Amino acid sequence: QKEVEQNSGPLSVPEGAIASLNCTYSDRGSQSFFWYRQYSGKSPELIMSIYSNGDKEDGRFTAQLNKASQYVSLLIRDSQPSDSATYLCAVRPYNNAGNMLTFGGGTRLMVKP
Amino acid sequence: EPEVTQTPSHQVTQMGQEVILRCVPISNHLYFYWYRQILGQKVEFLVSFYNNEISEKSEIFDDQFSVERPDGSNFTLKIRSTKLEDSAMYFCASSEDGDGGYTFGSGTRLTVV
Repeated sequence: QKEVEQNSGPLSVPEGAIASLNCTYSDRGSQSFFWYRQYSGKSPELIMSIYSNGDKEDGRFTAQLNKASQYVSLLIRDSQPSDSATYLCAVRPYNNAGNMLTFGGGTRLMVKP
Repeated sequence: EPEVTQTPSHQVTQMGQEVILRCVPISNHLYFYWYRQILGQKVEFLVSFYNNEISEKSEIFDDQFSVERPDGSNFTLKIRSTKLEDSAMYFCASSEDGDGGYTFGSGTRLTVV
């Protein structure tokens, strides 16, 4: 069973701080990694994708991937109250004919004004 | 911005009835998916669809479920003989290629009573 694990939180950070969200995965051959944001009662929204080891930056968001440690993280700089949501890590398993994604349970982020 | 459209937004059905959930993927996307999320739980893969056929399905997607692309724009999920445990949010998604992340629709909340 291919697993994606996340701390459920809530992770509480003050406005303007850096929020750090973490995710581990069990399928060592996984090649594609995604972060989605899900507001309560809404659908997941793609924030970042990362495919290679290292960092990838997009605005206030930085995704970090370490395949050797089977670890992917998301940093949110200058956190805003509007960033309060559940962040879902998703992994595409290796040798996947149907392009399915396996989702973690999500980390709930609360940004306090 | 292009979006995936799902109808209805909320469906209430009696146990044992059949329901059809409808989706209009983004027009130039080639890959289509159905996921579900039981309240408070992970987003779970059901099925992926490419080139007018199922490319992968999960253990959840048994004979009770079927998908169809009846014309050039719609993508439907049929659930026969619904059970109480089928109550969930059902998300349709589409992607342009098999490597990237998906765009999710806003979801259909299915309530089986």
